[in-house]
Order: sequence, then structure tokens, then C-alpha cells
Amino acid sequence: QVQLQESGPGLAKPSETLSLSCTVSGGSISSTSYYWGWIRQPPGKGLEWVGSIHPTGSTFYNPSLRSRVTISIDTAKNQFSLNLKSGTASDTAVYFCARLAYDGHPISYYFDYWGQGTLVTVSS
Amino acid sequence: DIQMTQSPSSLSASVGDRVTITCRASQSIRTYVNWYQHKPGKAPKLLIFAASNLQSGVPSRFRGSGSGTDFTLTINSLQPEDFATYYCQQSFSAPYSFGQGAKLEIK
Repeated sequence: QVQLQESGPGLAKPSETLSLSCTVSGGSISSTSYYWGWIRQPPGKGLEWVGSIHPTGSTFYNPSLRSRVTISIDTAKNQFSLNLKSGTASDTAVYFCARLAYDGHPISYYFDYWGQGTLVTVSS
Repeated sequence: DIQMTQSPSSLSASVGDRVTITCRASQSIRTYVNWYQHKPGKAPKLLIFAASNLQSGVPSRFRGSGSGTDFTLTINSLQPEDFATYYCQQSFSAPYSFGQGAKLEIK
């Protein structure tokens, strides 16, 4: 059973970089059959896809965040990470990490495993 | 970007009822829609992928249908553990987007 666990500071100061990691267990993050991604949910609001990464290092990001976000992968640690620069109060959210599976003809993408999420508050 | 609009945003039902949640896309997304169940403090759970495919391990009382712009999630014979928030999500094109959620509560 694949499990994902987010970790990182629960508090970040405005203008600083928000950094989170996601540790994957029960499966290898190196498998080229999957992408890995981040989704966030501001308090009282809906889910927003942040971006995703393939084990080859290929990334794609939400254009609304592209200028500030970097997702990286560490296959040795079976982890992937999120860095979000220049944080503001609007970045306050529960951040989820998830596995993005793809299969079928035509290819369909879906988040099949998620972490429980971690709340990050951006405040001075 | 593709907008996903769910209705209703909240509903109440009783154990044993059948409920239907709808999701409308702002443009045709063929069958590239997924449905998730989320309970507070828990990891969201994939229920349906590609509009109508039941994820492994998900009870058969969950059914997805639709294509183009209109999609439905139907839950037959509601069980106590089904009270949660449900989200649709399109994977037709990035940025992937979600509906605003439909909170299912016990009547």
C-alpha cells in the first residue's frame, strides 16, 4: 500500500520561501509509471493543483504559481519537495502531496494516493 | 483554464438513500474527469477515474457517468461512512482543476 506523508514548517513569514517535503513509502518514487504532485486547499476554499514532477525530472506547474514554485525529486530518499518563494497570506493552506497515475487509451491522469495534508500558515 | 462547477455545494441525506452530485465543465473534457471523497483530517480518496471507472477497492455503490461537459457521481444506498465532501477534477488539460466540493451530511 503506497503511503505519502507531508512534512515541513507549519509557519512561514511573509516574503520567505515555503518549503515542504513528501516522503513516499510502500513504493518507489523512481517508477516511471507515475508523476508526483502537490495540491493545496486554502481555509474554506477548494482544491488547487500546484504542480507535478516525473522521476526523470520533468515538471509542469500551475501557471498561476509558475514564477514562484519549484518541485524537485530525491530518488535516494524516496522524497519529493515543494519550494514556494515570496510567500504571502494567500499561500496559507493545507498542502497535500499525491501520486499522479496515468494509463489507458487514451491516457487518463488521476491522483490515486494522497497524503493527509499539512497546514502551512504564512504570517509574521 | 477549465472551470469545474459542482452542484449542489451541500446536501443532506439519510442512510440508505441514493444521492447524485453533478459537475459541469466550462468546455468539453470528453471523459477526463475524476471523483474524490474527502473527510476532515484524512487523505482524499480516489473513487472514480476517467468518468466511469471504479478505483480498485471502492464499493460498487459509487457510480460515475457523463461525457463532454456534464458528469454525475451517484451513490446508491448511502452508508454512514459515505458522509464526506466530494470533489470532481478534470485532467483534460493542465492546469488540472477541481470543483468547489459537495458536502454530504446526515439528515
